[in-house]
Formats: sequence, C-alpha cells, structure tokens
Amino acid sequence: GDSVTQMEGPVTLSEEAFLTINCTYTATGYPSLFWYVQYPGEGLQLLLKATKADDKGSNKGFEATYRKETTSFHLEKGSVQVSDSAVYFCALSSYNQGEKLIFGQGTELSVKP
Amino acid sequence: SQTIHQWPATLVQPVGSPLSLECTVEGTSNPNLYWYRQAAGRGLQLLFYSVGIGQISSEVPQNLSASRPQDRQFILSSKKLLLSDSGFYLCAWRAQRNTEAFFGQGTRLTVV
Repeated sequence: GDSVTQMEGPVTLSEEAFLTINCTYTATGYPSLFWYVQYPGEGLQLLLKATKADDKGSNKGFEATYRKETTSFHLEKGSVQVSDSAVYFCALSSYNQGEKLIFGQGTELSVKP
Repeated sequence: SQTIHQWPATLVQPVGSPLSLECTVEGTSNPNLYWYRQAAGRGLQLLFYSVGIGQISSEVPQNLSASRPQDRQFILSSKKLLLSDSGFYLCAWRAQRNTEAFFGQGTRLTVV
C-alpha cells in the first residue's frame, strides 16, 4: 500500500542554520503531498502542499518540491529560528487510499539560539 | 471560513470509566471526519473516519467507538477506559478526497 517515510529525528540545529527534512513516498498513481507542523501541545497545522509533479509548495520560508522521479518531497528552510522548533509530518493523499491521509512518523526539530 | 472545535482540551479519567470526546466543524457541509491518536513521542494512528452521517470506518480494533449523529459532529467514545487509551486525540476534517485535512487542537487524555 501507499506509505511515507521521513528521516529519523530529533534534528538539532543552531539558529540561522539550513534545514532539510527528508521525505520519500511510495504510491501508485499521482498522490498529493503535504507537510504539517505540530507545536508542543497543539494540533497539526498545514504548512505547505503540492498536488502534482514539479510543483513547489512554500510557506513561512519553508519549501518543498514534488519530485516524482525520486518519489521525494523534502522540506527545506534557508535559515531556521528558535520558533521553528516543532514536530514536522510529511503526508500523502491518493485516490488509491480512498478517504485516508497517510502520515510519516514525524521528525522533531529543535533549534538552539 | 471553516473552523473545527474539539473538547475538552485535557481530561483525566480513571480506568474503567466511560469516555466521550466531541468534535464539530463549522462552515462546510458533508465533510470527511477523522479521529487520530498520538501516543507520547509517536506518530499519528488513524482510529476512525466517516464520509457521512452514520457511516463509520474503523481502522484499529480496540475498545473505542465513534459515531456521527449529525453532518458536522463526530464523537469518540469508550464504555470502559484502559490505561493504554492514554494519549493525545486529534479530530480532523477534509472537504473531499485528495485534499488537505484540517485538525482540531486536540484532547490530552490521561487514564489513571
């Protein structure tokens, strides 16, 4: 079945460092891809999305490009801030999965001043 | 605009007691509704989803149940809680397939 794999965490960075969180997926057809962020004690918030190959989603300085050839949707940010400390989830949705949204296991990011 | 409400925010319940968590969505019709559970330090586990009133799909057999008595209301219940039911419960909605989901703020359940 369809699945999402994220890099293991926790990831610890210094403020203003470059961030990459890897996400790869397995899916038949053409899924939509999402990144969600979860701050401590809160629900998940949609960070960005891409619905077709080569689309780039972006929001709040974060970017991710839908790469069908490598089945990847890596999250990047050029300069992280302490306020970016959170858990990040990659997810996919496809018609093959019906009504379900498939999530990766989450990657915890900690940014130190 | 659409909003999702989930309550209570925190709950401490004794083992063997009943549970009722409620989720409501405003500003949309006929949403797909979801209940997820997140154990401490773990990922998301899909528990139930619903595509319409009275239609419930269960993903994980356990002592929890879900109901959808109205179009925009989704309830998670248990007759007798177990210690292993502790966790962070999240409700979510989607407009249709292949779109993003929107999450409530979650309920932190501690079974003691």
